[in-house]
Amino acid sequence: QKEVEQNSGPLSVPEGAIASLNCTYSDRGSQSFFWYRQYSGKSPELIMFIYSNGDKEDGRFTAQLNKASQYVSLLIRDSQPSDSATYLCAVQGGFQKLVFGTGTRLLVSP
Amino acid sequence: NAGVTQTPKFRILKIGQSMTLQCTQDMNHNYMYWYRQDPGMGLKLIYYSVGAGITDKGEVPNGYNVSRSTTEDFPLRLELAAPSQTSVYFCASSWGPNQPQHFGDGTRLSIL
Repeated sequence: QKEVEQNSGPLSVPEGAIASLNCTYSDRGSQSFFWYRQYSGKSPELIMFIYSNGDKEDGRFTAQLNKASQYVSLLIRDSQPSDSATYLCAVQGGFQKLVFGTGTRLLVSP
Repeated sequence: NAGVTQTPKFRILKIGQSMTLQCTQDMNHNYMYWYRQDPGMGLKLIYYSVGAGITDKGEVPNGYNVSRSTTEDFPLRLELAAPSQTSVYFCASSWGPNQPQHFGDGTRLSIL
């Protein structure tokens, strides 16, 4: 079992819809959870981070964490074509060790 | 507001050559990291540092070396380049161990 698993996609949504990106992790001791956006040929850009169970909202983005189910998700409301990118889930368990998933490719069509 | 700066942006090496990838940050972060990203794969940690003079291996350290003589700089050295080291290399830094990491623009390295 991979430490951090994401569906590779692509996830296709129409403009204005809600995009839901999911991530599961294997280390129950994980403490910090991050979502990065990566455009093709570019570096990862931090979108959200969450440390506690529940929801955290920032503009059009909501991160959801359920530690009991070892599940973290990212919701993007009112999706725009500019949101089309690969979204990387990263989970920090042991000290200094940040493990990345392979990413979900999101395509938002006009 | 430079953040994390990596040089060079692109490089082609021949098998067996050596080179140093440079990384510097101006955010006074103690923690710095080197990752490689292969097509369709997640980022793999090569080495990391928790402060000047302190470095440790990550998941894929073989074929690489690092040093951390100052807070700002964290160069990655490739000795005897091999085709398997063709990849995109990202340097990152963070304020603390569980804090968000900020990435440089990357170095695209091809070894032929």
